[in-house]
Amino acid sequence: KQEVTQIPAALSVPEGENLVLNCSFTDSAIYNLQWFRQDPGKGLTSLLLIQSSQREQTSGRLNASLDKSSGRSTLYIAASQPGDSATYLCAVRLALSGGYNKLIFGAGTRLAVHP
Amino acid sequence: DAGITQSPRYKITETGRQVTLMCHQTWSHSYMFWYRQDLGHGLRLIYYSAAADITDKGEVPDGYVVSRSKTENFPLTLESATRSQTSVYFCASSDRTSGVAKNIQYFGAGTRLSVL
Repeated sequence: KQEVTQIPAALSVPEGENLVLNCSFTDSAIYNLQWFRQDPGKGLTSLLLIQSSQREQTSGRLNASLDKSSGRSTLYIAASQPGDSATYLCAVRLALSGGYNKLIFGAGTRLAVHP
Repeated sequence: DAGITQSPRYKITETGRQVTLMCHQTWSHSYMFWYRQDLGHGLRLIYYSAAADITDKGEVPDGYVVSRSKTENFPLTLESATRSQTSVYFCASSDRTSGVAKNIQYFGAGTRLSVL
C-alpha cells in the first residue's frame, strides 16, 4: 500500500530564508508526483507536477525534485516571503487501469514565514 | 461563475441526519472526485466518477453515497451522519484529454462539516 509522508509537519522561518520541504513515498511505481498549496479555508492549488521520467520542475522561486528510486521528493522555496505561508501538500499519482489515475496525499507541511 | 464550486461552505448537523454536499463544475470535465481531509491524514478519496452515470469507490466510501446524473454536478450524501464524518470535504474535477493536462485536478474551496 502506497504511503506518503511529509516532514516536517510544521515549519516557521524568517522572511528571506531558503527552505526545503520533504516528501517520501513507499512505492516507487508512481505515474507522477504533484505539489499543492493550501491556504486556510480554501481549496488546493497545484504548484508543480513532475512526471516519473523527470528529475525536477521549476516555477519561479519554486523547484521540485524527484528521486523515484529512493522514494523522495523535495520542494525548494527560494527567498521565502510571508505570502508563502500556507500548507504544502505532496501527492503521488498511481497509474491504474481504465484511465483513472489515483492521487495519494501526504498530511502536509504547514509553513509560516514571518517578517 | 466559472470553475468548481462547493456548497454549503459550512454545515452543522446532528448524528443520524441525512446531509448532502453539492459540487458543481463549469468546465465539462469528465472526472470528478470527493475527498475528505482530517488532521494528520492528508486528503483521502471517498468516491470518484469518470463520467455521468459512472461512479466508483475510493479509499473511504463507507457511509457515503454519490450520484452523477449530469456531467457538471457530483453531490455527496451522508445518509445517516456520524461524528466520525466530521471533516472538511473537497470536490475536484479533471479533464480526460491526453497529456499532462489530464493529470491536473482542480479543487473546490471545501465544505467544513460538523456532526454533533
